[in-house]
Amino acid sequence: GENVEQHPSTLSVQEGDSAVIKCTYSDSASNYFPWYKQELGKGPQLIIDIRSNVGEKKDQRIAVTLNKTAKHFSLHITETQPEDSAVYFCAASLETSGSRLTFGEGTQLTVNP
Amino acid sequence: GAVVSQHPSRVICKSGTSVKIECRSLDFQATTMFWYRQFPKQSLMLMATSNEGSKATYEQGVEKDKFLINHASLTLSTLTVTSAHPEDSSFYICSARVPGVLAGVGTQYFGPGTRLLVL
Repeated sequence: GENVEQHPSTLSVQEGDSAVIKCTYSDSASNYFPWYKQELGKGPQLIIDIRSNVGEKKDQRIAVTLNKTAKHFSLHITETQPEDSAVYFCAASLETSGSRLTFGEGTQLTVNP
Repeated sequence: GAVVSQHPSRVICKSGTSVKIECRSLDFQATTMFWYRQFPKQSLMLMATSNEGSKATYEQGVEKDKFLINHASLTLSTLTVTSAHPEDSSFYICSARVPGVLAGVGTQYFGPGTRLLVL
């Protein structure tokens, strides 16, 4: 089955700096890659996703890049703010499994004011 | 945007009792819903996939007789933890699949989660 690895497990940055979180996946058939933000005590919130027919997608301060050849994708957050502090999860979906998501282990992002 | 609600948000129960958690898609129809379990500082663990009108598909190691799932309508799925024990205490989160533009690929939106504490 699919395996997703996520790095780093913790990331601390200064407000205004950029943050990058990287994920690799094992199954080359995966074609959907969402990123979720989870604040303490809450459910995951979809912040951006990318499908395998594009290499990059951007939404304001958030961007995701996908390298299908290398089987890795990354989340980029620019101009970080304290409210960006949360746990971020990447995931990969294998279509033949009915959109079943395989999650990475998560990254605790702390943005220091 | 797609909104998924869960009820209750928090529940405390005595060991041996059963607890029902509801998951609703508020502004879209979800043919498929998922139930996850999350322990502190860990990732989400998929428990089962719930398809409207059919039996749920459980992940390996998840007891289907203990975690009863019913997806009776396109907007409601329920998870019942039967004969709950302290080790069942966890954060339970549902998600609903939104049919995507591309065939077979759907976005999942998550509910806010239910904190279960079994005494």
